[in-house]
Order: sequence, then structure tokens, then C-alpha cells
Amino acid sequence: KAGVTQTPRYLIKTRGQQVTLSCSPISGHRSVSWYQQTPGQGLQFLFEYFSETQRNKGNFPGRFSGRQFSNSRSEMNVSTLELGDSALYLCASSSGLGGAGETQYFGPGTRLLVL
Amino acid sequence: LAKTTQPISMDSYEGQEVNITCSHNNIATNDYITWYQQFPSQGPRFIIQGYKTKVTNEVASLFIPADRKSSTLSLPRVSLSDTAVYYCRTTEGSTLGRLYFGRGTQLTVWP
Repeated sequence: KAGVTQTPRYLIKTRGQQVTLSCSPISGHRSVSWYQQTPGQGLQFLFEYFSETQRNKGNFPGRFSGRQFSNSRSEMNVSTLELGDSALYLCASSSGLGGAGETQYFGPGTRLLVL
Repeated sequence: LAKTTQPISMDSYEGQEVNITCSHNNIATNDYITWYQQFPSQGPRFIIQGYKTKVTNEVASLFIPADRKSSTLSLPRVSLSDTAVYYCRTTEGSTLGRLYFGRGTQLTVWP
């Protein structure tokens, strides 16, 4: 069974640009969560999607958005990039309804560098 | 606001048992505690999950006291390859479904 895949693996952008990251969950998984990881803030929850609906959202500005498609694949978009958006963006999928009792499986992440 | 607290770093030697404790004072009644391991430039990897008492699998044990306000990850006989960041995770209080991680514990295993 293939794991969680994320594309692209590495990305370099400049301030003011926008970026779209993609995540394909494990086959059969319906919940996809996104996290931002930086050395200073650790792993921070961005949002979670389940059956094409955003179910939970972390404390990030509106520049960060996402969506989920009918095949459970998910994308996240960051508009008007800032230097502080440089981070490792991680996607995680789980099989059922999500929540603390679920086991999340993480992808390798997309390393975004904003210049 | 951080909902879990872990030591920032720990050191150990090969062959020793390592115990990492996480505090989660605001854990909700229906929350589980999950631990992950992360190597540089990789996504976190699930290690173990529990609700109460003790859980054991092939790589670790998880001890959760009756009040569930803390948990301890136990790694038996660590090796150099266990050098990684270990995260404790639970759900934030009454906000159902919001998934938070602690700041992580950097475990360094020395030969």
C-alpha cells in the first residue's frame, strides 16, 4: 500500500508570490490534515479536511487555504508569501473520522523557501 | 497555546532504556495520547498510542497514570538510530478534532 505522497518536495518562491502544494493520502483514507513545521514554532496544525469539507482550522491567517477533492487528494495554497512562510509543510492522512484516537500517517513534506 | 509539555532534549547511551514524559493537564475525557518519531527532513512516524494504563508494541511502551495528565514513552535498549525528535500529541481541550503536537524532545543516543 502506497504511503502519503506530497508534491513538490522542494520549492523556492519569492515574497508576494503564491504557492500550491499537493497531497495524496493513503488509499481509502478520507481525512487529510496539513501542518507547518519551523524550527522556532515546531509542528503547527493548519487545517483538516474530511470528505471535501474543512472540518477544523488552526490559527493561521486567511492567506493559508486548502481544499479536498472527491478522491481525497488535497491541496493547500498560500497567497502573498512572506519570508516567515518558509517551512516544511506536512500532510497527514487517516482512515476514519480523524480526531485524537486516529492514527495519522505523514508524508515526507514539502520544503518551501521564500526569498 | 501549547497543550503538552515535554523536555526539550535528552541524552542517552546505546543499550540504555529511555523514558520521555509528556504533560497534558487539559486532556479531554475522550482524547488519546499518541507519540511520534521524526528524523530530519522526514514526516513524523507513528510509534504508539494509548488511552490509559499501559500499552506495549514491538518498539516502545506507553505508560499513562489514572489521572491521564501525563504519559511516559519508554524506549528499551536504544541504539544510535533512535536519535530523533519525539512528539507527544493529544487533542486541544474541548475543541473537538483540533490536533496539536508538543514541541518535541530531541533524543540523542551516544555510542
